[in-house]
Amino acid sequence: GENVEQHPSTLSVQEGDSAVIKCTYSDSASNYFPWYKQELGKRPQLIIDIRSNVGEKKDQRIAVTLNKTAKHFSLHITETQPEDSAVYFCAASKNNFNKFYFGSGTKLNVKP
Amino acid sequence: KAGVTQTPRYLIKTRGQQVTLSCSPISGHRSVSWYQQTPGQGLQFLFEYFSETQRNKGNFPGRFSGRQFSNSRSEMNVSTLELGDSALYLCASSLEGKNYGYTFGSGTRLTVV
Repeated sequence: GENVEQHPSTLSVQEGDSAVIKCTYSDSASNYFPWYKQELGKRPQLIIDIRSNVGEKKDQRIAVTLNKTAKHFSLHITETQPEDSAVYFCAASKNNFNKFYFGSGTKLNVKP
Repeated sequence: KAGVTQTPRYLIKTRGQQVTLSCSPISGHRSVSWYQQTPGQGLQFLFEYFSETQRNKGNFPGRFSGRQFSNSRSEMNVSTLELGDSALYLCASSLEGKNYGYTFGSGTRLTVV
């Protein structure tokens, strides 16, 4: 089955700096890669996603890049703010009925 | 519109008991998936239901089962509870058929003592 690895497990940045979280996947058939943000005590929320026919996608301060050849994808957050502090999960799936494989999570701490 | 609703929010059970958790998806969503979240193992897929049929299953023992009703509401059952079953159980719903991003519920925090 699919295996998704996520790095780093913790990331601490100063407010205003950029943060990058990287994930690799093993199944070349995976074609959909969402990212979720989970604040303490709350549910994971979808923040951005990318499909395998696209190399990059942006939404304001958040961007995701995908390298299908290398089988890795990354989340980029620019101009970080304290409210960006949370655990971020990457995930991968293929067209087989909503079965997602999640990375182990990255705890992002943005220091004011 | 209402989000994904999970009940109850918290549960404390004793080893050996069984438990049933409930999930009501977003209106119009027919796919419901269940995940177990623990600090050590992260988010692990349990199973997915679509139109009352289990379409996908993760690598959990048979003590974990589920079902989906005609109104798309889903229940998850864990029998013969073990201490290691203590976790946050999340359900997520999505539009039918395709792998759009999930919308998660707030979860049920199960503690087994």
